[in-house]
Amino acid sequence: GAVVSQHPSWVICKSGTSVKIECRSLDFQATTMFWYRQFPKQSLMLMATSNEGSKATYEQGVEKDKFLINHASLTLSTLTVTSAHPEDSSFYICSARTSSTDTQYFGPGTRLTVL
Amino acid sequence: QKEVEQNSGPLSVPEGAIASLNCTYSDRGSQSFFWYRQYSGKSPELIMSIYSNGDKEDGRFTAQLNKASQYVSLLIRDSQPSDSATYLCAVNEGGGSYIPTFGRGTSLIVHP
Repeated sequence: GAVVSQHPSWVICKSGTSVKIECRSLDFQATTMFWYRQFPKQSLMLMATSNEGSKATYEQGVEKDKFLINHASLTLSTLTVTSAHPEDSSFYICSARTSSTDTQYFGPGTRLTVL
Repeated sequence: QKEVEQNSGPLSVPEGAIASLNCTYSDRGSQSFFWYRQYSGKSPELIMSIYSNGDKEDGRFTAQLNKASQYVSLLIRDSQPSDSATYLCAVNEGGGSYIPTFGRGTSLIVHP
């Protein structure tokens, strides 16, 4: 139980293009999903928290117009990196929790490389 | 600002030994505590959670929580080379807040 998937697992794109990453909870309803970014040998950095049907809450320093988050259903959240640049290259990881527990379950991550 | 502190390591132990990983936190009101394992290039995976003072055992893993001293630890018995990874401590404030604060992680190396 508590499986979270992400798609794609890796993506390479050209600078200036937009990339959408999907996060799905496969066997539970996720009332809250979290998006993290992790640079090599660095710690997890929380980017935003999204609740189903509500606007995402972004952490300080994260541009909401650049990192668009949509949590349209209890099993799907998407992160769109708009006008990506090489400095956006990173490992993006989502996690999800149900309303009945405060445990987060992580997806496998998406490695983004912007050329 | 809530802080979760972990020694970055690396902690090196021989195969078969007990690995002890420690974590301290600043928010005395914290109620939920988690240990995650993260292999290089992979996302974190949950090892165990603990909510009450004392020990909680799951296989070779034992989590220990001491709220008065504001620390939580993870013991790994009979360490194996496959346990080599970064171990992340996460702390939830509780009371309706489900946004955890993560430590920077401790790198564990188990050598044969």
